[in-house]
Amino acid sequence: KQEVTQIPAALSVPEGENLVLNCSFTDSAIYNLQWFRQDPGKGLTSLLLIQSSQREQTSGRLNASLDKSSGRSTLYIAASQPGDSATYLCAVRWNYGGATNKLIFGTGTLLAVQP
Amino acid sequence: AAGVIQSPRHLIKEKRETATLKCYPIPRHDTVYWYQQGPGQDPQFLISFYEKMQSDKGSIPDRFSAQQFSDYHSELNMSSLELGDSALYFCASSLRASGRRSYNEQFFGPGTRLTVL
Repeated sequence: KQEVTQIPAALSVPEGENLVLNCSFTDSAIYNLQWFRQDPGKGLTSLLLIQSSQREQTSGRLNASLDKSSGRSTLYIAASQPGDSATYLCAVRWNYGGATNKLIFGTGTLLAVQP
Repeated sequence: AAGVIQSPRHLIKEKRETATLKCYPIPRHDTVYWYQQGPGQDPQFLISFYEKMQSDKGSIPDRFSAQQFSDYHSELNMSSLELGDSALYFCASSLRASGRRSYNEQFFGPGTRLTVL
């Protein structure tokens, strides 16, 4: 069964710290992996997408890495700010015959950055 | 830049009523997805359409149906509503480049919050 797990479930850090969010997935035959941000009761904002052939993607203070063989991805946030407080979701699309294009989400990491 | 549009943003219905949610994908996107996010849960895939044909199906109840129209907008029809249908319903869209591998990044709309009383 294809599953996505995120650790930790919640994280609280002081402003300015660098932090790492973890995502693990069963079955290394992925098509791509997306990291999303979700504010309470709001929609999903796509942060980074990593194709299966890539090892990392960067956008501003965010860096996402992918290690397919170990079934892991990490989201690195540099110099965290209170505005980064949100739930971060990892979602995987597996590649089977091109017909399956759904994303399977992890349960998310709730991040609180204390001023 | 244009984003995915969903309407209505909020909807309150009674049990056993019917609801219709609408989704307008990003212009030129050819694939639409529907997800359901219950309180405190992660989004769960319901159904997707590519070029107006159903392309994948997840845990969508038989009481729900969906379609994609010629202008690529999609509607999710929900009948015999139950209390457990109360959730955030997200629509996402992506572009599948034909003939070659594409990014297929999914962009999500703001969601429709459905409350069933």
